[in-house]
Amino acid sequence: EIVLTQSPGTLSLSPGERATLSCRASQSVSSNYLAWYQQKLGQAPRLLIYGASRRATGIPDRFSGSGSGTDFTLTISRLEPDDFAVYSCQQFGSSLITFGQGTRLEIK
Amino acid sequence: QIQLQKSGPGLVKPSETLSLTCTVSGVSIGSSNHYWGWVRQPPGKGLEWIGSIYSTGSTYYNPSLESRVTISLDTSKNLFSLNLNSVTVADTAVYYCAGDRNINWFYYWGQGTLVTVSS
Repeated sequence: EIVLTQSPGTLSLSPGERATLSCRASQSVSSNYLAWYQQKLGQAPRLLIYGASRRATGIPDRFSGSGSGTDFTLTISRLEPDDFAVYSCQQFGSSLITFGQGTRLEIK
Repeated sequence: QIQLQKSGPGLVKPSETLSLTCTVSGVSIGSSNHYWGWVRQPPGKGLEWIGSIYSTGSTYYNPSLESRVTISLDTSKNLFSLNLNSVTVADTAVYYCAGDRNINWFYYWGQGTLVTVSS
């Protein structure tokens, strides 16, 4: 089973700043099989990025994904108040889906 | 537009079976070439994939739950179901149903509701 470790656990930033969230895999992940989700309190996850770098339908271009192998990054170029939430990475490999534990992005 | 509506009890007794259904609208699940799945989230914790089913009925389960899980399709009612047997308090979580054309991720999500395992 591939374990995904996200860092930092909590990120405190102000609106307008740039956020960089990390997702590290215990073994290599195909870029095609790496996704990022945003989750607000009491809501279902929302798919942001799939295939490591492709934005899902309706996702603003301030969200971008990058990386390959074992290291992946979600970047939010300029934070807006609506962006403060929990972000989780997810991979698919060997017919098994695993999620990272999440990064909480909070307002500083 | 595809929408998912989850239903099922919010309280299950230990050792019993947790049963949830997810009704899909906007697409025919038996012929849509979509994957449909279940994901749960224990209070204060991260997301955990339970398993997925393809429109043909092929299933994929999380090995940690596989011995207790069954996911099935009911094409006549356009829904898919989750049965998790022999539940314990560790199965207390918010349960979500989800779907996508790809097995690799989930674009469509139903609302989550807390299922509590307690006597």
